[in-house]
Amino acid sequence: EAQVTQNPRYLITVTGKKLTVTCSQNMNHEYMSWYRQDPGLGLRQIYYSMNVEVTDKGDVPEGYKVSRKEKRNFPLILESPSPNQTSLYFCASSSYRGPSTDTQYFGPGTRLTVL
Amino acid sequence: AQKVTQAQTEISVVEKEDVTLDCVYETRDTTYYLFWYKQPPSGELVFLIRRNSFDEQNEISGRYSWNFQKSTSSFNFTITASQVVDSAVYFCALSGSNYQLIWGAGTKLIIKP
Repeated sequence: EAQVTQNPRYLITVTGKKLTVTCSQNMNHEYMSWYRQDPGLGLRQIYYSMNVEVTDKGDVPEGYKVSRKEKRNFPLILESPSPNQTSLYFCASSSYRGPSTDTQYFGPGTRLTVL
Repeated sequence: AQKVTQAQTEISVVEKEDVTLDCVYETRDTTYYLFWYKQPPSGELVFLIRRNSFDEQNEISGRYSWNFQKSTSSFNFTITASQVVDSAVYFCALSGSNYQLIWGAGTKLIIKP
């Protein structure tokens, strides 16, 4: 089954404690992306990757890091989480050049709370 | 800069009523794509439609229909004979030449039985 998986689905942590949210897709997609969803703001793109070793900032990259060492994985790293990073996070993937050429498949979401 | 505006924060209707969700976008790109996604209370994002800027034909899929008008930069979504299961947050989104997907703030649709 074609899917995007994220782990963990729920996470409560404390300020400053480094964490990683994993994202994996099994569709051999080139394009992967991370979004955060906040009430009244919709989804905002954090980082995206056009292919292995190619990443670029989205609209709200501050406080986040990503890496794309393998095609299927695109982890989101919060090196020193702060309460303003409490949010619902979605990973997405699509073929070729992303949303302009193909529909994005979304993971189930990760609800992060930073105390 | 690209922007998507969904002015309706929340809409509440009684079941079987028709309802239209508005979406207005801004872009300088001549080639762009518009999307609608549904987010039910369970939280996942469900793709509904993708439309490119060169195709202004309206689309109908069952009870769902979309009206794309470049002249007014709008891509509105209508649900005919709404049902309780249609209750969700609906997002309009735009993708242009920068390979990013820009989202509206969403419209929460409540269908009362």
